[in-house]
Amino acid sequence: AQSVTQLDSQVPVFEEAPVELRCNYSSSVSVYLFWYVQYPNQGLQLLLKYLSGSTLVKGINGFEAEFNKSQTSFHLRKPSVHISDTAEYFCAVILIQGAQKLVFGQGTRLTINP
Amino acid sequence: GAGVSQSPRYKVAKRGQDVALRCDPISGHVSLFWYQQALGQGPEFLTYFQNEAQLDKSGLPSDRFFAERPEGSVSTLKIQRTQQEDSAVYLCASSLQGSSNQPQHFGDGTRLSIL
Repeated sequence: AQSVTQLDSQVPVFEEAPVELRCNYSSSVSVYLFWYVQYPNQGLQLLLKYLSGSTLVKGINGFEAEFNKSQTSFHLRKPSVHISDTAEYFCAVILIQGAQKLVFGQGTRLTINP
Repeated sequence: GAGVSQSPRYKVAKRGQDVALRCDPISGHVSLFWYQQALGQGPEFLTYFQNEAQLDKSGLPSDRFFAERPEGSVSTLKIQRTQQEDSAVYLCASSLQGSSNQPQHFGDGTRLSIL
C-alpha cells in the first residue's frame, strides 16, 4: 500500500519570505506525485505534478517541487509567499499502473503573516 | 460545465436518515471519483467509476454507502441510516481518461453534518 507523510501540520511564515512544505511517500511500486491546494470551503486545485523527466517541476502561482527518488520526497517550495497563499496544501500519490485513486497526506496549513 | 459541480453544498441530517449527494463531472470526462474528507484530514478515496462501470469501491466504509453513475455522467453517492461518524466533506473529482497521469479535477464538495 502507498502512504504519504506531510511532516508539518502547520507552517507560519512572514509575507515575502521563502517557504518549503515537506512531503515523503512510501510505495513498493512506481507512482506519480501531485501537490494540491485547498482554499477555505473549496475543493482541491492542482498546483503541480511529477510524471517523469526533470525532477524539478514548476506549477501555478510560483510554486515548484523537486522529486527525490532516493529520499522518496517531493517537497514544495516558493521563493516569496503572498498573503493569498494562505491555504491548506496536500501532497498525493497515485499508482502508475493499478488502482486509480489518489492517496493524500494529512495536509499542511500555510499561514502567511504580514 | 466549466468545472465539477456538487450539490447540495451543505446538508444537515438527523442520525438515521438517508442522504443523497450529487456530482456533475466535467463534460466528456470518463472517470469519476468520490472522496471523503474528515475535519482536519486529507481526502480519502471512496469509489471510482469509468463511464457507468464502478471499477473500485474498496474505500466505501460500510454497506450503508452506495454510489451509482447509471448513464456515465452524473453520479450520486447515497448514505443510508446516517451515523455521526459520517459527518465530513464529500468531494467528487473527474478526469478525462482512465489513466493515472490525467489530473483529477475536484468540485467544491458537500459538507454533511449528522446531528
